[in-house]
Amino acid sequence: LAKTTQPISMDSYEGQEVNITCSHNNIATNDYITWYQQFPSQGPRFIIQGYKTKVTNEVASLFIPADRKSSTLSLPRVSLSDTAVYYCLVGVYNQGGKLIFGQGTELSVKP
Amino acid sequence: SAVISQKPSRDICQRGTSLTIQCQVDSQVTMMFWYRQQPGQSLTLIATANQGSEATYESGFVIDKFPISRPNLTFSTLTVSNMSPEDSSIYLCSVDLSGSNYEQYFGPGTRLTVT
Repeated sequence: LAKTTQPISMDSYEGQEVNITCSHNNIATNDYITWYQQFPSQGPRFIIQGYKTKVTNEVASLFIPADRKSSTLSLPRVSLSDTAVYYCLVGVYNQGGKLIFGQGTELSVKP
Repeated sequence: SAVISQKPSRDICQRGTSLTIQCQVDSQVTMMFWYRQQPGQSLTLIATANQGSEATYESGFVIDKFPISRPNLTFSTLTVSNMSPEDSSIYLCSVDLSGSNYEQYFGPGTRLTVT
């Protein structure tokens, strides 16, 4: 499973766009990139998943360059409620696979 | 999606005792997972629990310390045996609905403190 590297923490203000970048230099051809969000005292929650280029859903966008050695989670117009830890995971996801969590990025949104 | 509940939500236990944590899902699932999250840390996978087979443990975790049961497709238990203060953590279960394993649903966790 590819190792991931993320910033330990980030600060932002309400209304700003937040971009969290994850490095995964050893990503394999069959690996997907997945992001989870964890609020205090809760289990992680799936946000978005992608393989290449750009993926967008109602919560976030995920940008993956052509070499796939990094990915960027983009949160538009954050609010205080987006304060959480964000985890980037990389791996082959099929029957029998498992999630390996890295250190995560603690995002703090201030008023 | 899935609704997952865990019992107890928290407990304070004395060293040397054991605690069994329950995980209940509102739908039938093949694969369930147990994680540990130590204070201020990321999640660490303990084991994968499939119904009808023995749990598969990750490196550093053994069945004698963390026995797991999976009696049916909606329920699992994790026991933390012979506890020490180092076992103080949040224990979470999760399930995979899609079969792809990238979109898992997590329970709220059980906060365990060992004194």
